Amino acid sequence: QVQLQESGPGLVKPSETLSLTCTVSGGSISNYYWSWIRQSAGKGLEWFGRIHASGSTSYNPSLRSRVTMSVDTSKNQFSLKLSSVTAADTAVYYCAKAVGSGDYFDYWGQGTLVTVSS
Amino acid sequence: DIQMTQSPSTLSASVGDRVTITCRASQSISSWLAWYQQKPGKAPKVLIYKASSLESGVPSRFSGSGSGTEFTLTISSLQPDDFATYYCQQYNSYLLTFGGGTKVEIK
Repeated sequence: QVQLQESGPGLVKPSETLSLTCTVSGGSISNYYWSWIRQSAGKGLEWFGRIHASGSTSYNPSLRSRVTMSVDTSKNQFSLKLSSVTAADTAVYYCAKAVGSGDYFDYWGQGTLVTVSS
Repeated sequence: DIQMTQSPSTLSASVGDRVTITCRASQSISSWLAWYQQKPGKAPKVLIYKASSLESGVPSRFSGSGSGTEFTLTISSLQPDDFATYYCQQYNSYLLTFGGGTKVEIK
């Protein structure tokens, strides 16, 4: 049974960079696509992008200028960096395993609340 | 972007009721649609993929139908565990998008 766990600071200051890591257990990160998704009251569920274990990425155009995803297969982890955050980036952030070439999501982390505030 | 619109946004129903939730896409997505259930404080859980395929382990009272731009999720006989928020998600485009959600409440 694949399990995902997000980790990272719960509080980030405006204009700084939000950094989160997702640790995958119960299976290998290889050969799959992985995504970050956030949920806020104002915008519902928003997909950030996908990363393959090979390192290839595809980002949501609305966030592309601020998003970087990376993968560390030796640690079975993948990461998200979101730069120049504002209060609008306050949300619950989920990591998820995608089915196929990044189609829908069969495993999710429990989610981590990130608040942007000074 | 492909916009996904769900209706209703809130639905009040009783245990045993047949419940139908609609999801409309702003352009054709063939059958590339998934449905999720989310309970408070938890991550979404996939119920249906490819519009009508039941995810392993999901009760058979859940079913999905539709293609093109109009889709439905049906719960044939609502159970106490089914009170939750439901989301659709399209994966026809590389840019994945979700519907705004339908909250199923106890009547």
